[in-house]
Amino acid sequence: EVQLVESGGGLVNPGGSLRLSCTASGFSFDNAWMNWVRQAPGKGLEWVGRVKTILDGLTTDYAAHVKGRFSISRDDSRSTLYLQMNSLKLDDTAVYYCGTDQYFDVLVGYERDFWGQGTLVTVSS
Amino acid sequence: QLVLTQSPSTSASLGASVKLTCTLSSEYSTYAISWHQQQPEKGPRYLMKLDSDGSHTRGDGIPDRFSGSSSGAERYLTISGLQSEDEAEYYCQTWDIGITIFGSGSKVTVL
Repeated sequence: EVQLVESGGGLVNPGGSLRLSCTASGFSFDNAWMNWVRQAPGKGLEWVGRVKTILDGLTTDYAAHVKGRFSISRDDSRSTLYLQMNSLKLDDTAVYYCGTDQYFDVLVGYERDFWGQGTLVTVSS
Repeated sequence: QLVLTQSPSTSASLGASVKLTCTLSSEYSTYAISWHQQQPEKGPRYLMKLDSDGSHTRGDGIPDRFSGSSSGAERYLTISGLQSEDEAEYYCQTWDIGITIFGSGSKVTVL
């Protein structure tokens, strides 16, 4: 069974930092590009950024609204994805989800993606 | 600019069918998309990947009453035999070099 479990959310002051983690199991994590996606209260899904695999150079891409403040990394030995968030703003308040990005599952022979259940980040003074 | 435009919210009775639309900006009309479901107070759930020729592959445990089709820049999600648990927000997603975007979502209400 595939599982993605986010952790590390909480309350943080504006200007503060927080690191989220996403622990994966049940699929070949080291072969998966991984996304962070967020959802502000009452709003839709918003892509935050992505990290590719080691084979693809560990390239990262970010949405404009977080570029320079957020950083995505991965530790394949721990099957864990990270999101380092610095200089947090009030409008970074959201549930943060990790998920796979166009994951080609060799077990079934086609692409399919998976999501975690999310972790809430609240930026408030 | 890569943009996804989703049809407005819709409602239908139990057992009926609904067809949701996600439209790609015209210069990206050949792009594939994914559909995701988000039930109230839950995280998103991957439904399927949908190609420009209408071929689609469903995610884990997604019943075949969820189907996809395409026409030009439009991508569709059809839900047949609506059940109460299908009441949810539905998002489309696509990708380009260095970016991923989501549509604004379409809410389905089951009467």
